[in-house]
Formats: sequence, structure tokens, C-alpha cells
Amino acid sequence: KNQVEQSPQSLIILEGKNCTLQCNYTVSPFSNLRWYKQDTGRGPVSLTIMTFSENTKSNGRYTATLDADTKQSSLHITASQLSDSASYICVVSDAGGYQKVTFGIGTKLQVIP
Amino acid sequence: IAGITQAPTSQILAAGRRMTLRCTQDMRHNAMYWYRQDLGLGLRLIHYSNTAGTTGKGEVPDGYSVSRANTDDFPLTLASAVPSQTSVYFCASSATGYGGELFFGEGSRLTVL
Repeated sequence: KNQVEQSPQSLIILEGKNCTLQCNYTVSPFSNLRWYKQDTGRGPVSLTIMTFSENTKSNGRYTATLDADTKQSSLHITASQLSDSASYICVVSDAGGYQKVTFGIGTKLQVIP
Repeated sequence: IAGITQAPTSQILAAGRRMTLRCTQDMRHNAMYWYRQDLGLGLRLIHYSNTAGTTGKGEVPDGYSVSRANTDDFPLTLASAVPSQTSVYFCASSATGYGGELFFGEGSRLTVL
């Protein structure tokens, strides 16, 4: 069964600090991995997409990494801002079927002043 | 602003009542999806449609039905609501179908008493 596990479940950091969120997956065969940001009471919004051949991709202060061999991804947030407070969801697509997208439960990040 | 529009934003209804959650997109995406999001669980696929006129069952389809009469609309119906259907429901669409970026609505919070 395809699974996506994220850690930590929740995290509190001071404004201006960096943090790293982790995602481990067992999805196979792998197609792509996306990180979504979900603000409280809103729908998720895509931050980055990683394909098999990509190791690192940045989107402003967000940098995602992918190690396809160990089936791990991380999302690094640099110089955090209060607006970064949200849940971050790792989503992995497999190459085997139309609806085969597996969601992680998410990491709830709170940035405090 | 282009995107996904869901209605209602929130609803409380009695068990046994029929309820339709509406979803409209103006991006001309072929694929549309309905997910439910519950505390401690990742987003779970209820039903999907890869093009107008076709629908398919997702991970948790029981108690729900959908239709896709045209490209823009994808309503979700609960024929006889039960308390376990209390959840936040998200409609989403994607341009490329499987594995593509998902664009989510803002969600419909449903409480069944």
C-alpha cells in the first residue's frame, strides 16, 4: 500500500528562523512529489513539484529536496515569516493509475514573533 | 479571479437529509476531484472525473455520488447524510489529469447531526 509519512506533526519556531520538514514515501512506481501549503480554513496551494531526476528546487524562501533512492523529500523554509504559519502537505503521485495520488497528513507549522 | 468556487462554505444538516455540495471551475480543466479532509487523516479522494461525461470512484465513495454534465461543474451529493460524513470537503481540478498540479477550492465545512 502506498504511504506518505511526514514529520514532525507540528512545529513552532521563532520568526526569522529556518526549519526543515520531512516526507518519507513508499509510493511505487514514482511519478512526482509535490509540496502544498494549506492556510487555516483555506484550500491547499502547490509550492513545488519534484520529478525523479530532480534533487533540489526552490520557490522563493522555500527549497524542496528529493532523494529518490531513499524515497525521502524535505522542505526547507528560510528566514520564516508569520505568514508561513500553515500546514504543509507532501503529495506523491505514482505512475500506475489515474487516481493514484497519496497525501501525507501534513506538518502544522506555527511561526511566532 | 479564476479558480474553483465551492458552495456552501459551511452547512449544518440533520442526519437523513439530502445535501448537494456545488463546485464550479473557470479554468477549463478536464479533470475534477472531490476530497474530504478529517483531523489526523490526509486528504482522501471520494470521486473523480477525468473529463465531462465520465466519473470514477475514489478511496471513500460510499454514501456519495457525483455527476459531470459539463466541463465546469462537478456537484457532490449525499443522498442520506450520516454523522460520519461530518468533514471538510474540497473540490479540486487539474489541467493535465493524473499527477498534475491540483487547484483546490476553499472547502465546504459540513456538520451532520
